[in-house]
Amino acid sequence: GENVEQHPSTLSVQEGDSAVIKCTYSDSASNYFPWYKQELGKGPQLIIDIRSNVGEKKDQRIAVTLNKTAKHFSLHITETQPEDSAVYFCAASIQGGNNRLAFGKGNQVVVIP
Amino acid sequence: GAGVSQSPSNKVTEKGKDVELRCDPISGHTALYWYRQSLGQGLEFLIYFQGNSAPDKSGLPSDRFSAERTGGSVSTLTIQRTQQEDSAVYLCASSLALRSGEQFFGPGTRLTVL
Repeated sequence: GENVEQHPSTLSVQEGDSAVIKCTYSDSASNYFPWYKQELGKGPQLIIDIRSNVGEKKDQRIAVTLNKTAKHFSLHITETQPEDSAVYFCAASIQGGNNRLAFGKGNQVVVIP
Repeated sequence: GAGVSQSPSNKVTEKGKDVELRCDPISGHTALYWYRQSLGQGLEFLIYFQGNSAPDKSGLPSDRFSAERTGGSVSTLTIQRTQQEDSAVYLCASSLALRSGEQFFGPGTRLTVL
């Protein structure tokens, strides 16, 4: 089945700097890759997603890049702010998996003011 | 519009008791998922409902876990004879399931088994 891994597990950045989180996946048939942000005490919220027919997608300070050949995709946050501090989960679609997603274990991002 | 809601938000129970966790998905969403999130861990898939199809129960960790979805809307996750290792946050999500796409999560139920 699909295996999704995230690196690093914890990332600390100075406010205003950029943060990059990378995910790798194992199933070349996966075609949908979302990123979720989870704040303390809340459920995960989708912040950006990408499908396999594009290589990059941007939404203000957030971008996601996809490398299908290498089977990895990355979340880029520019001009980080304290409110970006959260746990970020990546996921990949499971083909033949009833619209299921396989999630990574999450990255704790800490933005230092 | 209203998002996914879950109740209770917190549940403390004694080992050996049964618990029921409720999920109200977004109206019109045909797909519903239950996940378990242990402290500092990722999302562990438990069960998936899609319309009137048989549910995908492949993630349920033991026969103490079961779930129902009545009328294609509200879902209840039941854990019988709870154990301390069942302590976790239980998350529910729903989606339109037209194709692989966004899952909308509820706030979760934090279950503590003493």
